[in-house]
Amino acid sequence: NAGVTQTPKFQVLKTGQSMTLQCAQDMNHNSMYWYRQDPGMGLRLIYYSASEGTTDKGEVPNGYNVSRLNKREFSLRLESAAPSQTSVYFCASSDFGVSNQPQHFGDGTRLSIL
Amino acid sequence: SQQGEEDPQALSIQEGENATMNCSYKTSINNLQWYRQNSGRGLVHLILIRSNEREKHSGRLRVTLDTSKKSSSLLITASRAADTASYFCAPSGLVFGAGTILRVKS
Repeated sequence: NAGVTQTPKFQVLKTGQSMTLQCAQDMNHNSMYWYRQDPGMGLRLIYYSASEGTTDKGEVPNGYNVSRLNKREFSLRLESAAPSQTSVYFCASSDFGVSNQPQHFGDGTRLSIL
Repeated sequence: SQQGEEDPQALSIQEGENATMNCSYKTSINNLQWYRQNSGRGLVHLILIRSNEREKHSGRLRVTLDTSKKSSSLLITASRAADTASYFCAPSGLVFGAGTILRVKS
């Protein structure tokens, strides 16, 4: 039972390069989320998708785009990577009810931008 | 923002002792969730307490919620080395605090 799978696990980019982080869940969940985690700052919500076909901005959306490809997959794209986007990125999913259900997290993508 | 603030930032105890972590928040909530994060891994959901509940138990975990004080606490009883992790509260589920780092020494 895989749960939430994120690829890649590690990535190093140069400033200005683009990159898509992939996320897939096998729990038939309706809602999916992207967070970034920086030291001492907890998790901050970048974008979320309450259901297939919808996406909404979170707390820190600038510099990112998302695509809810289907019910299973939710990708995060950095169009022109900046050093400030060095972080650990987590994808999560939950059943219906964006803030009323437990979220299930992947193990993260560790992204370094030089 | 519903961001929670955990206290203390770090806690070090001996195996077998109890660990208490606190969470404060600023505005009204429907529920409050607690998560654990082991080093290098994603967050794992521990417990959800709704705004009309005052206390909830799950195994060795006890969570309380005081909506009048806008605070919650997580108690881990009879701690084990395997409880070593970071613990986060999430008032209304989408915004997380910086967490409490718990170290349980064997």
